[in-house]
Amino acid sequence: AQSVTQPDIHITVSEGASLELRCNYSYGATPYLFWYVQSPGQGLQLLLKYFSGDTLVQGIKGFEAEFKRSQSSFNLRKPSVHWSDAAEYFCAVGAHNQGGKLIFGQGTELSVKP
Amino acid sequence: GAVVSQHPSWVICKSGTSVKIECRSLDFQATTMFWYRQFPKQSLMLMATSNEGSKATYEQGVEKDKFLINHASLTLSTLTVTSAHPEDSSFYICSARAGTSVDNEQFFGPGTRLTVL
Repeated sequence: AQSVTQPDIHITVSEGASLELRCNYSYGATPYLFWYVQSPGQGLQLLLKYFSGDTLVQGIKGFEAEFKRSQSSFNLRKPSVHWSDAAEYFCAVGAHNQGGKLIFGQGTELSVKP
Repeated sequence: GAVVSQHPSWVICKSGTSVKIECRSLDFQATTMFWYRQFPKQSLMLMATSNEGSKATYEQGVEKDKFLINHASLTLSTLTVTSAHPEDSSFYICSARAGTSVDNEQFFGPGTRLTVL
């Protein structure tokens, strides 16, 4: 069965420090992978996605993620975190053989220290 | 990106009553809409997928008679929680997509907080 695991429930980083949020997936075929950010009062926003091709994908707000098939991972990174990045982050896999529905990980809450 | 709205943003109701939540795609036609449920500090759990003009497809364990989904037009889907009980209290989120493939981006509404007393 398809699943997504985000091992870190909560991460705190200092402003200006680098960030890496972990995501591991289980999927029988080539996965379609996504990272979303959820801020209070706002809908989930797509940060980036991977379907095929270059395994390092660039997204909005300075985020990037690297697809590593051998590790079944799709970790999200940012070189320098801003206070406005504090939010909940969700990794998701798209089940393209099931109507394209998304299966979400548990989420990682990011706090940013001044 | 495209905009998806939900109404109401929050609702409080008495146990046993029914509540309707609307999801609208404001600037595009949504072939497919999804309804999710999110508990505090937890992930989004897909409840059902609806395609315009056809019956919704419910995920395993979701009661279709309790959570009625209607997708009567390309810009509107509704979720009705019938005979609501306190355990139905949750955050309900919809998303809308212009196509039927996973390649087509899902745009999410801001969510509706339901509290059943």
